[in-house]
Amino acid sequence: TQLLEQSPQFLSIQEGENLTVYCNSSSVFSSLQWYRQEPGEGPVLLVTVVTGGEVKKLKRLTFQFGDARKDSSLHITAAQPGDTGLYLCAGVAGNQFYFGTGTSLTVIP
Amino acid sequence: GAGVSQSPRYKVAKRGQDVALRCDPISGHVSLFWYQQALGQGPEFLTYFQNEAQLDKSGLPSDRFFAERPEGSVSTLKIQRTQQEDSAVYLCASSLAREQPQHFGDGTRLSIL
Repeated sequence: TQLLEQSPQFLSIQEGENLTVYCNSSSVFSSLQWYRQEPGEGPVLLVTVVTGGEVKKLKRLTFQFGDARKDSSLHITAAQPGDTGLYLCAGVAGNQFYFGTGTSLTVIP
Repeated sequence: GAGVSQSPRYKVAKRGQDVALRCDPISGHVSLFWYQQALGQGPEFLTYFQNEAQLDKSGLPSDRFFAERPEGSVSTLKIQRTQQEDSAVYLCASSLAREQPQHFGDGTRLSIL
């Protein structure tokens, strides 16, 4: 049983479209992180959010931490082929680290 | 080195053989994690070290899996009597503390024939 469920699991979109990835749990997290992983490589940290309701922007990526610190979303504006990869959320609860189930994004040129 | 280094990058073994996977964490990182990752899925936690102490091994799937970090730096994940279901990518990560963001190596892709 995964503590963090991501949706959708797979997403294939055309270049220029917008998309949102969700990361949900019934547990409260002290912080939540988003990683991106490309084939053959390890996950790379994109952002950390720590405050309920926090919104962080990283160029075309917008990350939001839910008010109750149980969920998070990642919104990508005008997706580009370079955004293709596996997106992972990860939360810290009770001094333990939990990864989400992953969202595999493909952006078609 | 600047990042987490794992070796080998690829390992092919016959069922029943023992394998050893190595992880060189970022210098000074106290925490070290091992994960198992299936294709297209999130990493599954295997075990955690704080310096040389293995504080959490709750994710190890069986007693065939063994990890060590004897000097609090390099770590080795050993799998004995490998089985086909052990085929996966094994990721190592290190961080300054358990709850801090993790820095990952590129993994070892293990294939059991």
